[in-house]
Amino acid sequence: GAVVSQHPSWVICKSGTSVKIECRSLDFQATTMFWYRQFPKQSLMLMATSNEGSKATYEQGVEKDKFLINHASLTLSTLTVTSAHPEDSSFYICSASLRGPKGTGELFFGEGSRLTVL
Amino acid sequence: TQLLEQSPQFLSIQEGENLTVYCNSSSVFSSLQWYRQEPGEGPVLLVTVVTGGEVKKLKRLTFQFGDARKDSSLHITAAQPGDTGLYLCAGAAGSARQLTFGSGTQLTVLP
Repeated sequence: GAVVSQHPSWVICKSGTSVKIECRSLDFQATTMFWYRQFPKQSLMLMATSNEGSKATYEQGVEKDKFLINHASLTLSTLTVTSAHPEDSSFYICSASLRGPKGTGELFFGEGSRLTVL
Repeated sequence: TQLLEQSPQFLSIQEGENLTVYCNSSSVFSSLQWYRQEPGEGPVLLVTVVTGGEVKKLKRLTFQFGDARKDSSLHITAAQPGDTGLYLCAGAAGSARQLTFGSGTQLTVLP
């Protein structure tokens, strides 16, 4: 199956610093990638849709200036958490869409990135 | 806004027991997917169902898509500790690649 890789897997940073998380599609081109946030034992919450070569589409309640998304190539999207605070600590997951038969929109997920802000 | 409600939210059972997880919505989906996620990892796709009334089997797992394509169920027979994880349903509307995720079911199978 399609492979999506995230880096780093985990990161610890001090409050006020910025952290960049990368999401790469390793064996296919992804014009659209998605970024999610997940709290322990809860479901995935869509943060934004990342479109190659254009601005990301953010979900309601997600601060675009706080969570900067860049999708500069067909295989790479980045999420930068700016001026991180402890409440930003979470598990961030990206996914890329591989269109299946009948346009089923199957998603392949990265391994996730655990962010801890001290 | 499309919502997918999963039930139960938490389930703890003994090895060998059977269980069913439900995924319900008031919206119609063109397809529905089930994922399983382990702690610290991304979700892994288990199955995609696209036709109303469709039933798919994956070893001890049986997936069903409702006739009206608004609901789905996942049945596990003779659960094993390796089945432990967070099970997520996710629906797609039309040709959109964006999925709406269910609230999740945390399953624990005790040896």
